[in-house]
Amino acid sequence: DTGVSQNPRHKITKRGQNVTFRCDPISEHNRLYWYRQTLGQGPEFLTYFQNEAQLEKSRLLSDRFSAERPKGSFSTLEIQRTEQGDSAMYLCASSPILPGYGYTFGSGTRLTVV
Amino acid sequence: AQKITQTQPGMFVQEKEAVTLDCTYDTSDPSYGLFWYKQPSSGEMIFLIYQGSYDQQNATEGRYSLNFQKARKSANLVISASQLGDSAMYFCAMREGGSEKLVFGKGTKLTVNP
Repeated sequence: DTGVSQNPRHKITKRGQNVTFRCDPISEHNRLYWYRQTLGQGPEFLTYFQNEAQLEKSRLLSDRFSAERPKGSFSTLEIQRTEQGDSAMYLCASSPILPGYGYTFGSGTRLTVV
Repeated sequence: AQKITQTQPGMFVQEKEAVTLDCTYDTSDPSYGLFWYKQPSSGEMIFLIYQGSYDQQNATEGRYSLNFQKARKSANLVISASQLGDSAMYFCAMREGGSEKLVFGKGTKLTVNP
């Protein structure tokens, strides 16, 4: 297992278009997280899944954002009607259900909305 | 109120010397965990070290140690024998009991000089 994989690495889209990102976690990890990082800031929590159940969502996740994790394996994050403010790095992470275990992050998907 | 404060936007250290990166946190939850992550220019977040609020001893992982002062609500990262490859952004983060959400600080950019 080579870690958390995110695709695509980069995405440029026009304002108003829909985009979808994919995350493949480490296979043994039950938990999967999405974070967003803008320039000069630390990552901000968006949502997390335990297996296929979405257990926590941030208020940052407006109704234009939706995340799924069918069958508890890979996850997708979709942004509808993109806005320039959505431009950011979208990071996915996974972890087992163990206290004190640091999340393993992927390399992220950099979204640019033009 | 900001939950994680990293007051040093940038730090410089000579190769082979030790450096301390500051982090203070704010929570009323008696159960919490503190994490440090490294983010090189490639963008991937790398987990370094974890400290639980009930841990009696300061955490250590190789050249990394966490100076945990509970009464002061500080969790400073100490890197011993700095290497050129330690140059990166360093983020402190906290997870409160009952939540899987990590809250990150704004980070400190560490530069190791030869």
